[in-house]
Amino acid sequence: DAGITQSPRHKVTETGTPVTLRCHQTENHRYMYWYRQDPGHGLRLIHYSYGVKDTDKGEVSDGYSVSRSKTEDFLLTLESATSSQTSVYFCAISEQGNSPLHFGNGTRLTVT
Amino acid sequence: GQNIDQPTEMTATEGAIVQINCTYQTSGFNGLFWYQQHAGEAPTFLSYNVLDGLEEKGRFSSFLSRSKGYSYLLLKELQMKDSASYLCAVTRGNTPLVFGKGTRLSVIA
Repeated sequence: DAGITQSPRHKVTETGTPVTLRCHQTENHRYMYWYRQDPGHGLRLIHYSYGVKDTDKGEVSDGYSVSRSKTEDFLLTLESATSSQTSVYFCAISEQGNSPLHFGNGTRLTVT
Repeated sequence: GQNIDQPTEMTATEGAIVQINCTYQTSGFNGLFWYQQHAGEAPTFLSYNVLDGLEEKGRFSSFLSRSKGYSYLLLKELQMKDSASYLCAVTRGNTPLVFGKGTRLSVIA
């Protein structure tokens, strides 16, 4: 299995609070991604990174920000969590932009 | 834009063959991926098709027709452990994968 660790695995938070999810890889892959998965919508891209300090928005980026200060870490921040951000969040990595993605185990976030 | 369609649910019998279809409309299409996702787990990579034709990997095969915007995943000799969601995803150029909503396959005895 690709070395990808997401933390925390589960989190419950209140509306309006900031939340940061962490993705850590040991594969030295250039590309890292954050997706969210919701029933009826499938996996949707939030943000991705193609190198240290190089990031771009995905399909559902509103309300989210990311940072990548080191190759191995990609952080996803919800500045002020809302109930619509209750979801399962997956981090993924790939060697190239069109290479297969390898996913972390996911973070289940509940915003009450 | 990109539009990817796959059936929402399918049911098949243990030992049988099942074909899961995926159609797409994508400008600048580069390739198509299939992933398997068991309930409560992360997606895992199954196959990647760039050229037209059939790619076989053991019990699983994947087919692509670029001119028709069509792919299928063929699962042979179905086992109970094949019960999972199967996700079709397309890529164009070097841009991130866009996923379909997935097909939930139930294998029954």
